[in-house]
Order: sequence, then C-alpha cells, then structure tokens
Amino acid sequence: AQSVAQPEDQVNVAEGNPLTVKCTYSVSGNPYLFWYVQYPNRGLQFLLKYITGDNLVKGSYGFEAEFNKSQTSFHLKKPSALVSDSALYFCAVRPYYGGSQGNLIFGKGTKLSVKP
Amino acid sequence: EPEVTQTPSHQVTQMGQEVILRCVPISNHLYFYWYRQILGQKVEFLVSFYNNEISEKSEIFDDQFSVERPDGSNFTLKIRSTKLEDSAMYFCASSDNGQGVQPQHFGDGTRLSIL
Repeated sequence: AQSVAQPEDQVNVAEGNPLTVKCTYSVSGNPYLFWYVQYPNRGLQFLLKYITGDNLVKGSYGFEAEFNKSQTSFHLKKPSALVSDSALYFCAVRPYYGGSQGNLIFGKGTKLSVKP
Repeated sequence: EPEVTQTPSHQVTQMGQEVILRCVPISNHLYFYWYRQILGQKVEFLVSFYNNEISEKSEIFDDQFSVERPDGSNFTLKIRSTKLEDSAMYFCASSDNGQGVQPQHFGDGTRLSIL
C-alpha cells in the first residue's frame, strides 16, 4: 500500500536553532512531494514542492526540503526557527499514476513547537 | 492572493440528516477535491472532480456522498443520512493542473459535528 510516514508526532526546537521535520514515503514511480502547514483553525497552506531537478527545494517562510531518492525521504528544514513557525506540518505525496487526476496522500502530521 | 473559501465554518447536524458543505474554488482552477480530517488523524482524500464529473474517489466516498458543481463558482459535497463517524473537518481544494505538478490550494475547512 502507498503511504507517507512522519515518524515524529512532535518536534520541539528553541528559537534560532535549526529544525528538521522528517518524512519518508512508499509510493510507486516518481512521486511529486509537498509540504503543507496548518495553523490552528485554518486550512492547509502550501509551503513547497519537489517535482524534478535539484534535490534541495526552497519554499515559503525560509523553509526548504531535501529530496533523497535512495532513502525515499523528503525532510523539511529551516536554518533558524521562529516562534511563529509553531504549527502542524504535513508531508504529502502525489503518486505517479500517469494521466490520473492527482489526489494527495498525507502523512499524519508533525506538531512543531518553537520555544523562545 | 486568491483563496478557496468554504461555508459554513462549523455545521452541527442531527444524525440521519442530510448536510451540504459548500466551497468556492479559485476562479481559474479546473480541478476540485474534497478531503476530510477526523480529529487527531491524518488528512484523507475523498474525491476529485474535473469537467463536471468525478475523476477519482477513495473507498471512503461511498453512496452516502455526492459532489456537484451546480454553477460556475460553487463546488458542493453532500452527505446523506449522516452518521456519528462523519464528524470531521472537511477541506475543499482546487488546482489548475490535474497532473499534480501545481499544488492544491485548500480552504479553511468546515467542521462537521454530528449529534
């Protein structure tokens, strides 16, 4: 079965320190990879994506993610965390189905808590 | 920046009743989706819609559910004969590309509470 794993329910980081939120996947073909962020009582907000090309992709709010094909991982990173980064982060994968319409498979989410 | 809007933000319904959740996708998008998130669980795909028909649906999307684009702007999810386990946050999303290259843009969701 195709799946996305976010092994950490919560990540705690001090403000100013680097952060990493982990994601691994198990899907067929060459998937498209996404990170979304969810603030309380809000919808999912797109952060960044990997489609093809350079393995390091940069997105909104200083976030970046590194695609590692051999490890089937797409970890989210930020060099210096802010308190305002505290939110729920979802990794999502669009499996390669050729001509199909692209529904997303989500991980269970990781709560990021950044303390001052 | 254009947004996906969903109404109502919170819907409380008696078990067995029908409910319609409404969404206005981003105006130039052609692909529409519904997802749900049961409290504390992951976001799950329900259905995708393109060119006035369902493109793909998950096993969750059974005969109890239906979708419709009644006019040029709205996209609705109807749940017939609601059950307690239908209580969840329902998210609408839209994209301008069906191959998944462009991200799906999500609304803020409708929290559905079945009593």
